[in-house]
Amino acid sequence: GAVVSQHPSWVICKSGTSVKIECRSLDFQATTMFWYRQFPKQSLMLMATSNEGSKATYEQGVEKDKFLINHASLTLSTLTVTSAHPEDSSFYICSARSGPSSGYTFGSGTRLTVV
Amino acid sequence: QQQVKQSPQSLIVQKGGISIINCAYENTAFDYFPWYQQFPGKGPALLIAIRPDVSEKKEGRFTISFNKSAKQFSLHIMDSQPGDSATYFCAASKGQAGTALIFGKGTTLSVSS
Repeated sequence: GAVVSQHPSWVICKSGTSVKIECRSLDFQATTMFWYRQFPKQSLMLMATSNEGSKATYEQGVEKDKFLINHASLTLSTLTVTSAHPEDSSFYICSARSGPSSGYTFGSGTRLTVV
Repeated sequence: QQQVKQSPQSLIVQKGGISIINCAYENTAFDYFPWYQQFPGKGPALLIAIRPDVSEKKEGRFTISFNKSAKQFSLHIMDSQPGDSATYFCAASKGQAGTALIFGKGTTLSVSS
């Protein structure tokens, strides 16, 4: 089955620094990848949709200059949290779909803690 | 506006019982309706999914019932086990390749032994 690998699984960073999260589709090509954010005991909120070779589309209220998304290849998308602050601490999850008639596969998530 | 409404928020079921979680949607353009299971600290894992051309789909102990006219769908977990204790999310998406899943708010299921 389709596998999405997400790294790191957890990261602690100091306030003001940047953190990069990687999302790779291991056995399929993902034209589109999705990034979600999840706060404790809450649902997954879509942050942005990333398309290979083009700019990401951000949801309303998501700061595109803070959450930089790059989708340079059909198997890799990255999310960089720039100048991180404690309020950016959250669980970030990526997802990909191998085709319009296929399901969505999720990564295992990244727990970001900003201290 | 919440596009996918899920209930109940939490559910306690005895071992061996049936767990039922309901979702309702507004957008008639949605044509893919999955249910995901999530354990703490993990990404969501697909349980079962349905498209609107069928009214029911069963996979093992998990069944989706779909009512297109009412714009509702539900997850039934038969013979619930303590290992089923997790958070369950319904979701929906449109058919186009680049559209994301929209999630319900989730249901925390506890199966007591």
